[in-house]
Amino acid sequence: SQQGEEDPQALSIQEGENATMNCSYKTSINNLQWYRQNSGRGLVHLILIRSNEREKHSGRLRVTLDTSKKSSSLLITASRAADTASYFCASLKGGSYIPTFGRGTSLIVHP
Amino acid sequence: GAVVSQHPSRVICKSGTSVKIECRSLDFQATTMFWYRQFPKQSLMLMATSNEGSKATYEQGVEKDKFLINHASLTLSTLTVTSAHPEDSSFYICSATSGADTQYFGPGTRLTVL
Repeated sequence: SQQGEEDPQALSIQEGENATMNCSYKTSINNLQWYRQNSGRGLVHLILIRSNEREKHSGRLRVTLDTSKKSSSLLITASRAADTASYFCASLKGGSYIPTFGRGTSLIVHP
Repeated sequence: GAVVSQHPSRVICKSGTSVKIECRSLDFQATTMFWYRQFPKQSLMLMATSNEGSKATYEQGVEKDKFLINHASLTLSTLTVTSAHPEDSSFYICSATSGADTQYFGPGTRLTVL
């Protein structure tokens, strides 16, 4: 069963704006990962954040993790039209190697 | 990063036929491979987990006789959709891991059953 829930389900912004997507999960996790999927393609791993980390950066991406609220956020700064894609979070429970995916956020960046 | 390939990328078949999809890890040895199914605008649904040399573990509700999985080597897993029907039409994605935290995904296979 999917325990991750992203919101919003859909996000439409203008190029140059920041995009923030949130993800919630239900059980304690070992780590949480964000993936990107372009339409009709596979998933591309973006960033992994461990349960003992609170924030992580990679280029224009910033991920935060709040284990007390069981939530994570993905911020894409200075968005580009090429960032248009679906973004999924996947949480990994301790002792398991099978991540649980959320429903995803569909991001559209208008040029 | 690690590369996972899938073949074919797209397949159209007649109802009642069987279709085999290959998943290969190109530059690492995959101790575990996963098969997912994805419906339009929805998340990935895990179908089964396969470890090299052992039987696959199927998720609840996934028919193991319908979706045959073989993980014959550390770089290859195959998913065979047997006696395919239109309701099996979907996007099938595999992923592989070498035991680390990160799964690496293939580009997916679009199956259309007429």
